[in-house]
Amino acid sequence: DAGVIQSPRHEVTEMGQEVTLRCKPISGHNSLFWYRQTMMRGLELLIYFNNNVPIDDSGMPEDRFSAKMPNASFSTLKIQPSEPRDSAVYFCASSGQGSSYNSPLHFGNGTRLTVT
Amino acid sequence: DAKTTQPPSMDCAEGRAANLPCNHSTISGNEYVYWYRQIHSQGPQYIIHGLKNNETNEMASLIITEDRKSSTLILPHATLRDTAVYYCIKSGNTPLVFGKGTRLSVIA
Repeated sequence: DAGVIQSPRHEVTEMGQEVTLRCKPISGHNSLFWYRQTMMRGLELLIYFNNNVPIDDSGMPEDRFSAKMPNASFSTLKIQPSEPRDSAVYFCASSGQGSSYNSPLHFGNGTRLTVT
Repeated sequence: DAKTTQPPSMDCAEGRAANLPCNHSTISGNEYVYWYRQIHSQGPQYIIHGLKNNETNEMASLIITEDRKSSTLILPHATLRDTAVYYCIKSGNTPLVFGKGTRLSVIA
């Protein structure tokens, strides 16, 4: 298996523009997580899906952020409009054991977002 | 409280065992201890997890104290490629919450 695939690997955009980050989880995994990492705040959980349904979005910073999982093999994280403080590395992770949190996460290599 | 306590940094000589401690004194009965590591510019990588018994896999060993309030991750023969940030996390009824971890530097 190719692992969790994220695209793009790098994204540079101007403030106010819409940004869409993409994630393909490992085939057969039914839980998907979006994390954000900055030097100041470390790794933060943004949102979690189970069987394509959002379960916990309490980490989404504000209404500018939205995430979807239209099917088991694809998820998007959208920021509209983007701001410089959104600059970070965004990671997607998937795991394979139902709704249990006691299952190892497999992370992608992240998307490095820079908003100027 | 989903947090654990780890030393911010450690050094280890190449070829020697790296012993990374973690304190999780507030762990509850159904919470596992998970270890991940993050090599620069990559996503976190799962290493090992356990509930109360010691565990071993091809990457590392996990030693959990009898009272489960602390654990130690052991890399038996550290190499330069093991230089990374190592995260110790409790996992129970909530998704994984990552702390600051331990920055392990393996020195030639």
